[in-house]
Amino acid sequence: DGGITQSPKYLFRKEGQNVTLSCEQNLNHDAMYWYRQDPGQGLRLIYYSQIVNDFQKGDIAEGYSVSREKKESFPLTVTSAQKNPTAFYLCASSPQGDSYNEQFFGPGTRLTVL
Amino acid sequence: RKEVEQDPGPFNVPEGATVAFNCTYSNSASQSFFWYRQDCRKEPKLLMSVYSSGNEDGRFTAQLNRASQYISLLIRDSKLSDSATYLCVVIPRDNYGQNFVFGPGTRLSVLP
Repeated sequence: DGGITQSPKYLFRKEGQNVTLSCEQNLNHDAMYWYRQDPGQGLRLIYYSQIVNDFQKGDIAEGYSVSREKKESFPLTVTSAQKNPTAFYLCASSPQGDSYNEQFFGPGTRLTVL
Repeated sequence: RKEVEQDPGPFNVPEGATVAFNCTYSNSASQSFFWYRQDCRKEPKLLMSVYSSGNEDGRFTAQLNRASQYISLLIRDSKLSDSATYLCVVIPRDNYGQNFVFGPGTRLSVLP
């Protein structure tokens, strides 16, 4: 089955620790995205990548880092510099092309920093 | 003014009712529009794209009004399974990278 997987589903970390969230897709999509969602709020873009070995900051990139070494994978690291990291993190992908392409989302990772 | 605004609700409606949501956007150069559905604690999933001429998919109708800069979603004959949060999504014309701009969502509860 083609799709996007994120792991783990739930993640607990102590304050001050870096943590890496996994995102893998086998849809052969060029573009991948990371969003953060807080309760009662819309999705906010953290980072996105249109092609391997290239990525761009989104609206709230501070305290996060990413890499795109393979087309299938776009891991997100939440660093200790992120002041309020507890949130629902969603990874998405879309085919390259015109602007009418939908984004497909993974099931998300709920990060809780204690 | 936020780029994309929605009435947060919740909209509590009985089964069988017709309900409509509006979404307004501030960037007049916006190119593409979508409605996504998000169930509680799940990922968003595409409900339907919104075309300039309007489009219908079963009980769901989406319309776009460029002059007033809003899109709407109409749900007829509501089912219990329609209970979810509905996210309006806008893609600005000049935004390389297909960066979606999400509204905060409108929560719908369909009651038996």
